[in-house]
Amino acid sequence: GQQLNQSPQSMFIQEGEDVSMNCTSSSIFNTWLWYKQEPGEGPVLLIALYKAGELTSNGRLTAQFGITRKDSFLNISASIPSDVGIYFCAGGDSGGGADGLTFGKGTHLIIQP
Amino acid sequence: DAGVIQSPRHEVTEMGQEVTLRCKPISGHNSLFWYRQTMMRGLELLIYFNNNVPIDDSGMPEDRFSAKMPNASFSTLKIQPSEPRDSAVYFCASSSIRTEKLFFGSGTQLSVL
Repeated sequence: GQQLNQSPQSMFIQEGEDVSMNCTSSSIFNTWLWYKQEPGEGPVLLIALYKAGELTSNGRLTAQFGITRKDSFLNISASIPSDVGIYFCAGGDSGGGADGLTFGKGTHLIIQP
Repeated sequence: DAGVIQSPRHEVTEMGQEVTLRCKPISGHNSLFWYRQTMMRGLELLIYFNNNVPIDDSGMPEDRFSAKMPNASFSTLKIQPSEPRDSAVYFCASSSIRTEKLFFGSGTQLSVL
């Protein structure tokens, strides 16, 4: 099946720093989604991308759908303590439903005081 | 909107016992998904339903696992008999058909001793 490589696996940063993470695949996806999971909770959708090259923002978060359709990027500007969590990317196939989603293994974001 | 509701939040049981996890999807959503999350394997899709009908159960690890959706507002995931390697967080998620946007519950943390 399709696989997503998400990197980095974990990030240790200082409050106020910008964060960049990405997701790559050998397969083409038609949709990219980014989720955040906080301790003891389920993943929550942050941003959904539907077109190659699309750049979408949600507050301090910005995500891009790669031109090749095989990758996506998530940036967080001026990190704050509540940004701590696991960030997952998910690629969607052409079926148009959530059953076609493939999830990455997540990037653990840790903010040091 | 109450979101996806799962119960129990935590379950500790002994090997060999039957475990039943419960889920109430978001009202109006036609698709329901059961995922398992572990450190080693990340998020794995176990089974999903469209309009209460199981569509793909190829992710169910063994015959010990079964899932039902008797109506649009309720689903169960049952493990019988449970084994220590079943210990994980089990998530229920729902979505509208033909959209990739998944909404997750808070999960059930299962520990099989």
